[in-house]
Amino acid sequence: NAGVTQTPKFQVLKTGQSMTLQCAQDMNHEYMSWYRQDPGMGLRLIHYSVGAGITDQGEVPNGYNVSRSTTEDFPLRLLSAAPSQTSVYFCASSTTRGNTIYFGEGSWLTVV
Amino acid sequence: QKEVEQDPGPLSVPEGAIVSLNCTYSNSAFQYFMWYRQYSRKGPELLMYTYSSGNKEDGRFTAQVDKSSKYISLFIRDSQPSDSATYLCAMSGDNYGQNFVFGPGTRLSVLP
Repeated sequence: NAGVTQTPKFQVLKTGQSMTLQCAQDMNHEYMSWYRQDPGMGLRLIHYSVGAGITDQGEVPNGYNVSRSTTEDFPLRLLSAAPSQTSVYFCASSTTRGNTIYFGEGSWLTVV
Repeated sequence: QKEVEQDPGPLSVPEGAIVSLNCTYSNSAFQYFMWYRQYSRKGPELLMYTYSSGNKEDGRFTAQVDKSSKYISLFIRDSQPSDSATYLCAMSGDNYGQNFVFGPGTRLSVLP
């Protein structure tokens, strides 16, 4: 019963490096999204997708890129890491219009 | 003013106490209200879901919505140490995942 799986759990990057956070879900959900969680800020939506081949920007998209080639996978790319991107990142999925958003376990990213 | 406000705590209570967690919001279009529980180093998980105004009870948990005051509450009866977590409120006007707005969370500690 995997649900939403994120990798890696922890990552340290140097400023300017790029990396990809992986996300996969096995619930056949149309909707997938990426959030970042910072102290006192709550969960902020970075990018989302309502189906394979369809992506859109959320509240804080700058510096991030996404693609959705399959229903199951929704990777998040950091193009050129900056210290301001130090955060906890959560991938999530749900049915298109569903009250339950299922979250992954989180990825802790530090940019030095 | 943030769209959703929530006292960050931390809130410490003795085991067995009744806990009241609250959120206020400014957008009168919100009609779907949720409470998520987030344990340390884990992703949020849905605890309660309420549509429009009124109360909903599930075991020791009661969710209450007062749309006229733009105020929602989560009550925990007979609190247990296992309830120690951060509680996030979330709300939406249309139940589409990309339009969910999350509060910053209240950290609760239930002391044995």
